[in-house]
Amino acid sequence: AQTVTQSQPEMSVQEAETVTLSCTYDTSESDYYLFWYKQPPSRQMILVIRQEAYKQQNATENRFSVNFQKAAKSFSLKISDSQLGDAAMYFCAYRRPISNFGNEKLTFGTGTRLTIIP
Amino acid sequence: GAGVSQSPRYKVAKRGQDVALRCDPISGHVSLFWYQQALGQGPEFLTYFQNEAQLDKSGLPSDRFFAERPEGSVSTLKIQRTQQEDSAVYLCASSLVLGATGELFFGEGSRLTVL
Repeated sequence: AQTVTQSQPEMSVQEAETVTLSCTYDTSESDYYLFWYKQPPSRQMILVIRQEAYKQQNATENRFSVNFQKAAKSFSLKISDSQLGDAAMYFCAYRRPISNFGNEKLTFGTGTRLTIIP
Repeated sequence: GAGVSQSPRYKVAKRGQDVALRCDPISGHVSLFWYQQALGQGPEFLTYFQNEAQLDKSGLPSDRFFAERPEGSVSTLKIQRTQQEDSAVYLCASSLVLGATGELFFGEGSRLTVL
């Protein structure tokens, strides 16, 4: 079974600085997808960034970028120029390739609570 | 609708009561998922629908949990004879298409507290 580990329960960063959230995963698959989701106090999960395992290039979305190390099974999220609105729980998630049933089930880590210090 | 809608947002139940949680996915979305999120934890998969067919219910913790999506749109998660360990946020998510790029859209969840 796939597992996702986030070893940092809490992180804090000064506003406008850069912070990196860590994630490791375990899988025997060679093709899969990795995600970072943000969950603010409203509880709605919002997709931050997605990485396909077959792509060597690290994904980037504006201030958010990932460092994907496939051999090490590591998938960290870097947030640049941190803003107060970035404060939330961040979850790393894994999804195996689509089966015949089209199941897109996600396996989540336990999350990292990010605090932004004004 | 504009997004995935869940109701009620908050539910308090006495131990032993039955509860029903509703999910209205985005119109036209084929896939629908239910997740359970305990306090301080990440969401855990409960069940998956493709249209009206429940194709995976491997995450349902016991036979007290039952989910349906009879017309392939609205889904209901029912928990019978609730126990304290059922206290959690129940998240619903939907996606438009099958396949690798189908983005999941989550609702705001229903927080269940069992006393």
